[in-house]
Amino acid sequence: ETGVTQTPRHLVMGMTNKKSLKCEQHLGHNAMYWYKQSAKKPLELMFVYSLEERVENNSVPSRFSPECPNSSHLFLHLHTLQPEDSALYLCASSPMGGYGYTFGSGTRLTVV
Amino acid sequence: DQQVKQNSPSLSVQEGRISILNCDYTNSMFDYFLWYKKYPAEGPTFLISISSIKDKNEDGRFTVFLNKSAKHLSLHIVPSQPGDSAVYFCAASGDNDMRFGAGTRLTVKP
Repeated sequence: ETGVTQTPRHLVMGMTNKKSLKCEQHLGHNAMYWYKQSAKKPLELMFVYSLEERVENNSVPSRFSPECPNSSHLFLHLHTLQPEDSALYLCASSPMGGYGYTFGSGTRLTVV
Repeated sequence: DQQVKQNSPSLSVQEGRISILNCDYTNSMFDYFLWYKKYPAEGPTFLISISSIKDKNEDGRFTVFLNKSAKHLSLHIVPSQPGDSAVYFCAASGDNDMRFGAGTRLTVKP
Protein backbone atom coordinates (compact mmCIF):
# COMPACT_ATOMS: atom_id res chain seq x y z
CA GLU A 1 0.00 0.00 0.00
CA THR A 2 1.16 3.50 -0.75
CA GLY A 3 -0.41 5.26 2.24
CA VAL A 4 -3.41 6.32 0.19
CA THR A 5 -6.19 3.72 0.40
CA GLN A 6 -9.06 3.56 -2.05
CA THR A 7 -12.18 1.44 -1.67
CA PRO A 8 -13.65 -0.43 -3.33
CA ARG A 9 -10.98 -1.71 -5.71
CA HIS A 10 -13.60 -2.74 -8.25
CA LEU A 11 -17.15 -1.54 -8.73
CA VAL A 12 -19.83 -2.50 -11.24
CA MET A 13 -22.91 -0.32 -11.24
CA GLY A 14 -25.98 0.24 -13.33
CA MET A 15 -26.78 3.58 -14.87
CA THR A 16 -29.53 4.25 -12.35
CA ASN A 17 -27.48 3.35 -9.28
CA LYS A 18 -25.94 5.63 -6.70
CA LYS A 19 -22.55 4.67 -5.32
CA SER A 20 -19.59 6.29 -3.62
CA LEU A 21 -15.87 5.90 -3.94
CA LYS A 22 -13.78 6.41 -0.85
CA CYS A 23 -10.21 7.62 -0.44
CA GLU A 24 -8.34 7.75 2.84
CA GLN A 25 -4.86 8.92 3.73
CA HIS A 26 -3.03 9.19 7.04
CA LEU A 27 0.13 10.74 5.67
CA GLY A 28 -0.60 14.13 7.15
CA HIS A 29 -1.25 15.53 3.69
CA ASN A 30 -3.70 18.39 3.34
CA ALA A 31 -4.40 18.35 -0.38
CA MET A 32 -6.37 15.57 -2.07
CA TYR A 33 -7.24 14.92 -5.68
CA TRP A 34 -9.54 12.82 -7.85
CA TYR A 35 -8.32 11.71 -11.27
CA LYS A 36 -9.96 9.72 -14.06
CA GLN A 37 -7.86 7.29 -16.06
CA SER A 38 -9.56 6.04 -19.21
CA ALA A 39 -8.06 3.20 -21.18
CA LYS A 40 -4.89 4.18 -23.05
CA LYS A 41 -5.33 7.86 -22.17
CA PRO A 42 -3.44 10.15 -19.82
CA LEU A 43 -4.84 11.08 -16.47
CA GLU A 44 -7.61 13.64 -16.30
CA LEU A 45 -7.71 15.79 -13.19
CA MET A 46 -11.27 16.01 -11.88
CA PHE A 47 -11.22 17.72 -8.48
CA VAL A 48 -8.70 19.23 -6.10
CA TYR A 49 -9.27 19.85 -2.42
CA SER A 50 -6.88 21.90 -0.35
CA LEU A 51 -7.47 22.15 3.39
CA GLU A 52 -10.89 20.57 2.81
CA GLU A 53 -11.97 23.27 0.38
CA ARG A 54 -12.52 22.53 -3.28
CA VAL A 55 -10.04 24.59 -5.25
CA GLU A 56 -10.44 23.08 -8.68
CA ASN A 57 -13.23 21.49 -10.67
CA ASN A 58 -12.21 20.70 -14.21
CA SER A 59 -15.58 20.85 -15.98
CA VAL A 60 -16.67 17.55 -14.52
CA PRO A 61 -20.33 16.55 -15.10
CA SER A 62 -22.61 16.98 -12.11
CA ARG A 63 -23.22 13.24 -11.95
CA PHE A 64 -19.84 13.20 -10.15
CA SER A 65 -20.04 14.87 -6.76
CA PRO A 66 -16.97 15.09 -4.49
CA GLU A 67 -16.99 15.44 -0.75
CA CYS A 68 -14.08 16.12 1.60
CA PRO A 69 -15.31 15.92 5.21
CA ASN A 70 -11.79 16.22 6.65
CA SER A 71 -8.21 16.29 5.48
CA SER A 72 -7.90 12.50 5.66
CA HIS A 73 -10.95 11.48 3.67
CA LEU A 74 -12.22 12.16 0.21
CA PHE A 75 -15.33 10.75 -1.43
CA LEU A 76 -16.62 10.71 -4.97
CA HIS A 77 -20.38 10.26 -5.10
CA LEU A 78 -21.69 8.79 -8.32
CA HIS A 79 -25.24 8.88 -9.69
CA THR A 80 -26.86 8.20 -13.05
CA LEU A 81 -23.54 7.48 -14.70
CA GLN A 82 -23.04 6.62 -18.35
CA PRO A 83 -21.13 3.67 -19.82
CA GLU A 84 -18.42 6.07 -21.01
CA ASP A 85 -17.73 6.88 -17.35
CA SER A 86 -16.22 3.42 -16.99
CA ALA A 87 -12.59 4.00 -16.06
CA LEU A 88 -10.02 3.79 -13.30
CA TYR A 89 -10.57 6.50 -10.71
CA LEU A 90 -7.46 7.47 -8.85
CA CYS A 91 -7.14 9.43 -5.66
CA ALA A 92 -3.95 11.20 -4.67
CA SER A 93 -2.78 13.33 -1.80
CA SER A 94 0.09 15.69 -1.19
CA PRO A 95 1.43 18.12 1.37
CA MET A 96 0.72 21.77 0.68
CA GLY A 97 4.06 22.26 -1.02
CA GLY A 98 3.36 19.48 -3.49
CA TYR A 99 6.34 17.23 -2.79
CA GLY A 100 5.52 13.71 -1.68
CA TYR A 101 2.61 13.36 -4.05
CA THR A 102 1.13 9.91 -3.46
CA PHE A 103 -1.39 7.99 -5.54
CA GLY A 104 -3.82 5.35 -4.35
CA SER A 105 -4.24 2.12 -6.28
CA GLY A 106 -7.50 3.24 -7.81
CA THR A 107 -11.07 2.02 -8.14
CA ARG A 108 -11.90 0.23 -11.39
CA LEU A 109 -15.44 1.37 -12.24
CA THR A 110 -17.62 -0.35 -14.82
CA VAL A 111 -20.98 1.19 -15.69
CA VAL A 112 -23.41 -1.22 -17.30
CA ASP B 1 3.66 -4.63 -3.25
CA GLN B 2 5.35 -2.11 -5.44
CA GLN B 3 4.73 -3.15 -9.00
CA VAL B 4 6.34 -0.03 -10.40
CA LYS B 5 9.62 1.17 -8.98
CA GLN B 6 11.69 4.25 -9.50
CA ASN B 7 14.80 3.42 -7.56
CA SER B 8 16.41 6.84 -7.76
CA PRO B 9 14.57 9.36 -5.60
CA SER B 10 16.62 12.20 -7.03
CA LEU B 11 18.86 13.07 -9.96
CA SER B 12 20.99 16.13 -10.60
CA VAL B 13 22.16 17.03 -14.11
CA GLN B 14 23.99 19.96 -15.67
CA GLU B 15 22.09 22.10 -18.16
CA GLY B 16 22.60 20.90 -21.72
CA ARG B 17 23.45 17.35 -20.71
CA ILE B 18 21.23 14.28 -20.92
CA SER B 19 18.88 13.31 -18.10
CA ILE B 20 18.01 9.62 -17.83
CA LEU B 21 15.18 8.60 -15.54
CA ASN B 22 14.61 4.92 -14.95
CA CYS B 23 11.60 2.82 -14.05
CA ASP B 24 11.15 -0.92 -13.46
CA TYR B 25 7.94 -2.90 -13.30
CA THR B 26 7.10 -6.42 -12.27
CA ASN B 27 3.70 -7.15 -13.81
CA SER B 28 4.01 -8.57 -17.31
CA MET B 29 0.34 -7.72 -17.96
CA PHE B 30 1.14 -4.01 -18.17
CA ASP B 31 0.98 -2.91 -21.78
CA TYR B 32 0.92 0.89 -21.68
CA PHE B 33 3.44 3.10 -19.96
CA LEU B 34 3.40 6.79 -19.22
CA TRP B 35 5.63 9.48 -17.81
CA TYR B 36 4.25 12.40 -15.87
CA LYS B 37 5.98 15.58 -14.79
CA LYS B 38 5.03 17.39 -11.63
CA TYR B 39 5.96 20.84 -10.40
CA PRO B 40 5.52 21.74 -6.72
CA ALA B 41 1.95 22.64 -5.75
CA GLU B 42 0.64 21.40 -9.09
CA GLY B 43 -0.85 18.11 -10.21
CA PRO B 44 1.09 15.82 -12.50
CA THR B 45 0.94 16.61 -16.20
CA PHE B 46 1.22 14.04 -18.91
CA LEU B 47 4.54 14.02 -20.72
CA ILE B 48 4.91 11.03 -23.00
CA SER B 49 3.67 7.46 -23.31
CA ILE B 50 4.58 4.22 -25.01
CA SER B 51 2.63 1.11 -25.91
CA SER B 52 4.14 -2.31 -25.37
CA ILE B 53 4.18 -2.91 -29.12
CA LYS B 54 6.92 -0.29 -29.42
CA ASP B 55 10.36 0.01 -27.91
CA LYS B 56 10.85 3.72 -28.45
CA ASN B 57 8.75 6.84 -28.64
CA GLU B 58 10.16 10.29 -29.22
CA ASP B 59 8.61 13.73 -28.75
CA GLY B 60 10.98 16.65 -29.10
CA ARG B 61 13.57 16.54 -26.35
CA PHE B 62 11.85 13.60 -24.66
CA THR B 63 12.33 9.97 -25.60
CA VAL B 64 10.94 6.96 -23.79
CA PHE B 65 12.55 3.56 -24.23
CA LEU B 66 10.87 0.30 -23.32
CA ASN B 67 12.70 -2.98 -22.74
CA LYS B 68 9.94 -5.55 -22.25
CA SER B 69 12.23 -8.47 -21.55
CA ALA B 70 13.87 -6.54 -18.72
CA LYS B 71 10.59 -4.92 -17.66
CA HIS B 72 12.34 -1.61 -17.73
CA LEU B 73 11.60 1.77 -19.20
CA SER B 74 13.53 4.97 -19.23
CA LEU B 75 12.93 8.60 -20.06
CA HIS B 76 15.68 10.53 -21.77
CA ILE B 77 15.67 14.31 -21.82
CA VAL B 78 18.22 15.92 -24.06
CA PRO B 79 19.32 18.61 -23.82
CA SER B 80 18.20 19.14 -20.23
CA GLN B 81 16.99 22.61 -19.30
CA PRO B 82 16.52 24.26 -15.89
CA GLY B 83 12.76 24.34 -16.53
CA ASP B 84 12.82 20.54 -16.61
CA SER B 85 13.47 20.52 -12.87
CA ALA B 86 10.48 18.70 -11.41
CA VAL B 87 9.38 15.34 -10.06
CA TYR B 88 8.89 12.70 -12.74
CA PHE B 89 6.48 9.81 -12.23
CA CYS B 90 6.47 6.66 -14.25
CA ALA B 91 3.16 4.78 -14.58
CA ALA B 92 2.24 1.39 -15.95
CA SER B 93 -1.21 0.38 -17.07
CA GLY B 94 -2.96 -2.86 -17.94
CA ASP B 95 -6.58 -3.72 -18.59
CA ASN B 96 -7.63 -3.54 -14.99
CA ASP B 97 -4.89 -1.75 -13.19
CA MET B 98 -2.63 1.24 -13.20
CA ARG B 99 0.32 1.79 -10.91
CA PHE B 100 2.62 4.70 -10.31
CA GLY B 101 6.20 4.81 -9.22
CA ALA B 102 7.20 6.94 -6.24
CA GLY B 103 8.78 9.59 -8.45
CA THR B 104 12.26 10.90 -9.17
CA ARG B 105 13.12 14.50 -8.45
CA LEU B 106 15.19 15.92 -11.30
CA THR B 107 17.27 19.03 -10.75
CA VAL B 108 18.86 20.65 -13.78
CA LYS B 109 21.60 23.06 -12.78
CA PRO B 110 22.38 26.10 -14.94
